[in-house]
Amino acid sequence: NAGVTQTPKFRILKIGQSMTLQCTQDMNHNYMYWYRQDPGMGLKLIYYSVGAGITDKGEVPNGYNVSRSTTEDFPLRLELAAPSQTSVYFCASSYAQGSSYEQYFGPGTRLTVT
Amino acid sequence: GQQVMQIPQYQHVQEGEDFTTYCNSSTTLSNIQWYKQRPGGHPVFLIQLVKSGEVKKQKRLTFQFGEAKKNSSLHITATQTTDVGTYFCASTGNQFYFGTGTSLTVIP
Repeated sequence: NAGVTQTPKFRILKIGQSMTLQCTQDMNHNYMYWYRQDPGMGLKLIYYSVGAGITDKGEVPNGYNVSRSTTEDFPLRLELAAPSQTSVYFCASSYAQGSSYEQYFGPGTRLTVT
Repeated sequence: GQQVMQIPQYQHVQEGEDFTTYCNSSTTLSNIQWYKQRPGGHPVFLIQLVKSGEVKKQKRLTFQFGEAKKNSSLHITATQTTDVGTYFCASTGNQFYFGTGTSLTVIP
């Protein structure tokens, strides 16, 4: 299993541009998540999904959109990029079973907006 | 949203010394998870605690969940250079709230 994969690894955007960060998992996990991590900080949840067709906002959803058309894929869309969106973005997945929500993280996408 | 605070933010230790990081919440937690993130890497799950007063050990790492389920700690005995990284606690439920993390530096 590849686990959770993310593309691209790095990206530089100009202010006002848009892009989609891709995330795929091959573990048949129900739950998927998008986080951002600013330098020296913890992770903040942007959006999450409990299954195909269902998404919900996390702590910091403004400026982002998501969709979940399949179990495997959970792309994150940035519209009108702003310097405040410069961050490392992590996608994660988990198989919710009882009280066990262990998350598996992808390698991250480092995004710079200038 | 739920706030999970971690202290200290940074810790430098000599190799062989012990290390402890603390995680505190103002509300009762259903359970808590701990993750380790190596420099430049992604978070990796270490353990989950569910029961009040629970203690779990993984080799040199000891994890505790407070009796009131509002705090947790991670203790590393006799640190090694391989322990370098940032340790995060996370409260779980429908959403996840990660603590601010403790960055551990081990001086050989």
